[in-house]
Amino acid sequence: DTAVSQTPKYLVTQMGNDKSIKCEQNLGHDTMYWYKQDSKKFLKIMFSYNNKELIINETVPNRFSPKSPDKAHLNLHINSLELGDSAVYFCASSRDTIYFGEGSWLTVV
Amino acid sequence: GNSVTQMEGPVTLSEEAFLTINCTYTATGYPSLFWYVQYPGEGLQLLLKATKADDKGSNKGFEATYRKETTSFHLEKGSVQVSDSAVYFCALRDNSGGSNYKLTFGKGTLLTVNP
Repeated sequence: DTAVSQTPKYLVTQMGNDKSIKCEQNLGHDTMYWYKQDSKKFLKIMFSYNNKELIINETVPNRFSPKSPDKAHLNLHINSLELGDSAVYFCASSRDTIYFGEGSWLTVV
Repeated sequence: GNSVTQMEGPVTLSEEAFLTINCTYTATGYPSLFWYVQYPGEGLQLLLKATKADDKGSNKGFEATYRKETTSFHLEKGSVQVSDSAVYFCALRDNSGGSNYKLTFGKGTLLTVNP
């Protein structure tokens, strides 16, 4: 069973479109995250939710909107996609140690 | 603030060579330290961790010791294999105050092991 699963794994879309990435964890963790990995492999946190409450929002453009319908889910919606949004987006969850999903490779053309 | 500095890559080794990837950190509190590994085309996997000074984390032949005096958490393996080729990330989580909900990552070190 996959502990942190995110879909889709690959997404190619045009500039200006709106897209969502979904994430689910079956570990019973209270805290979930979205991280962005750029083309140089650098990882940076975008958002963190604890018990469905937003606790970290790291200077991410307003076009990015996370939504946590329950503790086990944290979805990422992106409006008006730009070329610079092309990256790998990782969902993660934690109680103590942080566990990552397998990533969603987003390419904006 | 918190930061992690790890050695620049890429690192290229022959099979069975000894590996060291240096990692040093700056933290305002009392961090937990982690090494994550990312194999080509895959997500991040936890490799090992240490939660307090002098702890040694180990897994799959890799080890790292939490050195508070030198603020370091260097990754070592005595004999690397081709299958160890991946990007390795050092990370810290500051356990003080409200910042314990996120990891701060180093920039990653690409390791290539040749047969």
